[in-house]
Amino acid sequence: DGGITQSPKYLFRKEGQNVTLSCEQNLNHDAMYWYRQDPGQGLRLIYYSQIVNDFQKGDIAEGYSVSREKKESFPLTVTSAQKNPTAFYLCASRVTGRSTDTQYFGPGTRLTVL
Amino acid sequence: GQQLNQSPQSMFIQEGEDVSMNCTSSSIFNTWLWYKQDPGEGPVLLIALYKAGELTSNGRLTAQFGITRKDSFLNISASIPSDVGIYFCAGQLGAGGTSYGKLTFGQGTILTVHP
Repeated sequence: DGGITQSPKYLFRKEGQNVTLSCEQNLNHDAMYWYRQDPGQGLRLIYYSQIVNDFQKGDIAEGYSVSREKKESFPLTVTSAQKNPTAFYLCASRVTGRSTDTQYFGPGTRLTVL
Repeated sequence: GQQLNQSPQSMFIQEGEDVSMNCTSSSIFNTWLWYKQDPGEGPVLLIALYKAGELTSNGRLTAQFGITRKDSFLNISASIPSDVGIYFCAGQLGAGGTSYGKLTFGQGTILTVHP
């Protein structure tokens, strides 16, 4: 099946620890994105990558880091510098064509800081 | 930065009723997307709109791209219990230029359907 997978589904972290969220896609999409969702709010962009070995900060990048060593993978690290990391994290990839330009989302990872 | 105002924030309706929700923006977009999200899951794309004035249907769902490029609406006809969820609009400047595919999301409309 083609799609976007995120793991783990649920993640618990102690304060002061870094944690890495996985995002993999087999859709052959060039661009990938990380969003954060808080209760009652829309999604906010953390980081994006338009091509392998390149990535850019989004609107709320502080306390996060990413890498893009492979086209299929775009892991997100939530560092101890992130002041309020408890949230639902969503990964997406973008498909563009002559008459289309959309993003498809993975199932999400819920991170809880204890 | 750009902001999207999505309304209503929540709706409680009876099965069989029609639903309408909309998004307005302070800036123009070249693409409007509508997503549905179930609790604890990622958003699922419902409809994509690429041209001002465009009206597109997907089953019982119909969405329109406003003429001014600053608004869009989504209608659901004859609602059923499985329509329950959170509906998000998202605007995108489009491919090319400096847009890099950034989506700006509305706050979401929570839909509850009573059988």
